[in-house]
Amino acid sequence: KAGVTQTPRYLIKTRGQQVTLSCSPISGHRSVSWYQQTPGQGLQFLFEYFSETQRNKGNFPGRFSGRQFSNSRSEMNVSTLELGDSALYLCASSLVIQGAGSPLHFGNGTRLTVT
Amino acid sequence: AQRVTQPEKLLSVFKGAPVELKCNYSYSGSPELFWYVQYSRQRLQLLLRHISRESIKGFTADLNKGETSFHLKKPFAQEEDSAMYYCALSDLTGGGNKLTFGTGTQLKVEL
Repeated sequence: KAGVTQTPRYLIKTRGQQVTLSCSPISGHRSVSWYQQTPGQGLQFLFEYFSETQRNKGNFPGRFSGRQFSNSRSEMNVSTLELGDSALYLCASSLVIQGAGSPLHFGNGTRLTVT
Repeated sequence: AQRVTQPEKLLSVFKGAPVELKCNYSYSGSPELFWYVQYSRQRLQLLLRHISRESIKGFTADLNKGETSFHLKKPFAQEEDSAMYYCALSDLTGGGNKLTFGTGTQLKVEL
């Protein structure tokens, strides 16, 4: 099975711009989560989508949004970029098991640099 | 709110020495805990989960609810174990699958 695929791998944007990141989950995985990884804050949960619905949201401002399509592919969008948004954005997919935490399968990430 | 604490940023051991990576958590419910590992230039991947009670690559981790700990152990470190290790707690409230990660411990195995 192909792993989680994230595109693009690298992005350089200017403050105030917006950006869209894409994630294709492992085939059959219907849950897609997004995490932000920075040296200072580590791995922080952004949001999780399942069946095109956001199930969980982390403590990030409304500039961070996402969506999931019917084929389980997901995108996240960051508007009005700030310097502090520079980070590695990781997407992870998982099976959904009711009442149990499912292991996450991570992509390689998109490295976003805001200048 | 749930929290995962990994007190050591860096742990350096010699090859063949025992390894223990510490993880403590706070969570009001019944926790599900994981260890993830990131080798150099590779993606973050699952190492083990407490409900499986498996030994992966010689690593084991026991959930101690009394001490709220989930330390990762290996009796004899190998050079290939050098990596970044993250402890994570699954929050099942709301029916979702949200992980809270610790800040990670860089394990360096020296020859």
